[in-house]
Amino acid sequence: AQRVTQPEKLLSVFKGAPVELKCNYSYSGSPELFWYVQYSRQRLQLLLRHISRESIKGFTADLNKGETSFHLKKPFAQEEDSAMYYCALGEYGNKLVFGAGTILRVKS
Amino acid sequence: ETGVTQSPTHLIKTRGQQVTLRCSSQSGHNTVSWYQQALGQGPQFIFQYYREEENGRGNFPPRFSGLQFPNYSSELNVNALELDDSALYLCASSPGRTSFSGNTIYFGEGSWLTVV
Repeated sequence: AQRVTQPEKLLSVFKGAPVELKCNYSYSGSPELFWYVQYSRQRLQLLLRHISRESIKGFTADLNKGETSFHLKKPFAQEEDSAMYYCALGEYGNKLVFGAGTILRVKS
Repeated sequence: ETGVTQSPTHLIKTRGQQVTLRCSSQSGHNTVSWYQQALGQGPQFIFQYYREEENGRGNFPPRFSGLQFPNYSSELNVNALELDDSALYLCASSPGRTSFSGNTIYFGEGSWLTVV
């Protein structure tokens, strides 16, 4: 079955430190992967998608099919990055399969 | 602002009752999906509608049903409520039939349902 695993419930880093939020997936086809973010008291919103190969707010994510991973990275964390981050897999039929999420806490 | 609004924001129901949650999508968004997010978990796909027809369903029992209307509004109905139905229910809309391949999915703020 298709599955998305985010092994860390909470990741706490200091401002200016590098960030890596881990995401692993299992999917039999060609995956479409996304990172969604939810800031405090705000709705879930798309951060980035792997097909765009873009950098949003300094975050990047590379799809590694060999390791079935799609880790989210940022070289220097900022306090405003504190939020809940969800990795999601796009299934055939337009369904999103979400991981359980990782809380990122950036300390000053 | 994503243009996806949900109502009510919070409600409390008793086990065995029925509930209707509503969503208003952005104009032109023909695809609407509903997700259930239990506390401490990621959202789980319930079902999806495209131009008023069900277009995919997750692992939820038939007592979860939906409707989509021509005016880009939709409903999620849950019958015979159980305690485990307590969760945040999210509505998500997108312009195309295939939500990916360039289309962005926009989420509402959700409706918090508590079943007692």
